[in-house]
Amino acid sequence: GDSVTQMEGPVTLSEEAFLTINCTYTATGYPSLFWYVQYPGEGLQLLLKATKADDKGSNKGFEATYRKETTSFHLEKGSVQVSDSAVYFCALRADSSASKIIFGSGTRLSIRP
Amino acid sequence: DVKVTQSSRYLVKRTGEKVFLECVQDMDHENMFWYRQDPGLGLRLIYFSYDVKMKEKGDIPEGYSVSREKKERFSLILESASTNQTSMYLCASSFSWEKLFFGSGTQLSVL
Repeated sequence: GDSVTQMEGPVTLSEEAFLTINCTYTATGYPSLFWYVQYPGEGLQLLLKATKADDKGSNKGFEATYRKETTSFHLEKGSVQVSDSAVYFCALRADSSASKIIFGSGTRLSIRP
Repeated sequence: DVKVTQSSRYLVKRTGEKVFLECVQDMDHENMFWYRQDPGLGLRLIYFSYDVKMKEKGDIPEGYSVSREKKERFSLILESASTNQTSMYLCASSFSWEKLFFGSGTQLSVL
């Protein structure tokens, strides 16, 4: 079945470091891919998305490129801030007829000042 | 901004109790969802609804039921709570399937 695998955390970085959180997927159709973020004490919110191969989603300095050949959607940011500390979830919607979004297990990110 | 409100932030119940978790959204969204969030397992879909009185099972519906009598309200019901239902429960709503709006969650402990 369709699934999302993302790197286990926690990930701890110093402020201004480069961030990569890996995400790979398995899907039978042509999925849409998402990154959601959950700040402490809050619900998840959509960070960025990409709906077809080679699309790049971006928001708040974060980027992810939909790589069909490697079935990946890695999240990157060039210089992280303390305020980026959160749990990040990779997710997919299998195709345009799918009625649900499948989430990965989440990666906790902590940024040291 | 869309607001999804869950009635309780923390809830403690006894084994065997009937538990109601309430969720209200204020943006006239057709679709509403209930997920549970467990460490290492991420979010798992329990039930969703795409219209009033319509519901579909998600991946883990056993031990749960739902009710959607009004468009803005989606309730999750634990008929007889068990300790393995201790979890964080997240409600979400959406207009399209592409972007979900989540509430801040209810941490349920079943003793």
